[in-house]
Amino acid sequence: QVLLVESGGGAVQPGRSLRLSCVASGFAVSMYPIHWVRLVPGRGLEWVAVLSHDDTERFADSVKGRFTISRDVSRNTVSLQMTSLGIDDTALYFCARSIGLWPPHPFDYWGLGTLVTVS
Amino acid sequence: DIQMTQSPSTLSASVGDRVTITCRASQDISTWLAWYQVTPGKAPKLLIYQAGTLESGVPSRFSGSGSGTEFTLTISSLQPDDFATYYCQDYSSYSPWTFGPGTKVEVK
Repeated sequence: QVLLVESGGGAVQPGRSLRLSCVASGFAVSMYPIHWVRLVPGRGLEWVAVLSHDDTERFADSVKGRFTISRDVSRNTVSLQMTSLGIDDTALYFCARSIGLWPPHPFDYWGLGTLVTVS
Repeated sequence: DIQMTQSPSTLSASVGDRVTITCRASQDISTWLAWYQVTPGKAPKLLIYQAGTLESGVPSRFSGSGSGTEFTLTISSLQPDDFATYYCQDYSSYSPWTFGPGTKVEVK
């Protein structure tokens, strides 16, 4: 059974950092792209970042240069390191899996999310 | 980047109603379009991909259609679990993966 569990969210002041983790079970994160998507109050879903099985990394323009993404194969975990947080980063952060990046695939499994509040 | 719009932004309906949501892309995305259901406290759920293919396990009352720039999601007979927010997503590009602004289906 595929499962994704996010953790690491919390309340932080502007300018501070936070590290989110996404632990996967039922599949190996080294074999699939893992995306981070956030649900922003009043704005809906926003794609944030992806780390592919071939180590391709992509970031939304809004987080480029501030967020980094990494993988720990031994813990079957993908992490999102967020720095220089601003109030616009306040959101519920989900991790999600896709089958691959090309040809295109939707996001077939999602976690429950972890809440980040910047104020 | 491709922009996605949805209409309506909010839809009031009753159990048993037929509901249709429209999604438009600013450029031709062929059929690289997915629909997701987002309910508070639950993981977002993939409903439809490739514009019209039902994800495994999704009830057949959900259907999708369209290609190019205009797409629709239809719920043939609304059920209590269907009151949620629905998002379309363009996944045609390598990056970014763009979502529509969402359509909230609420109780009439």
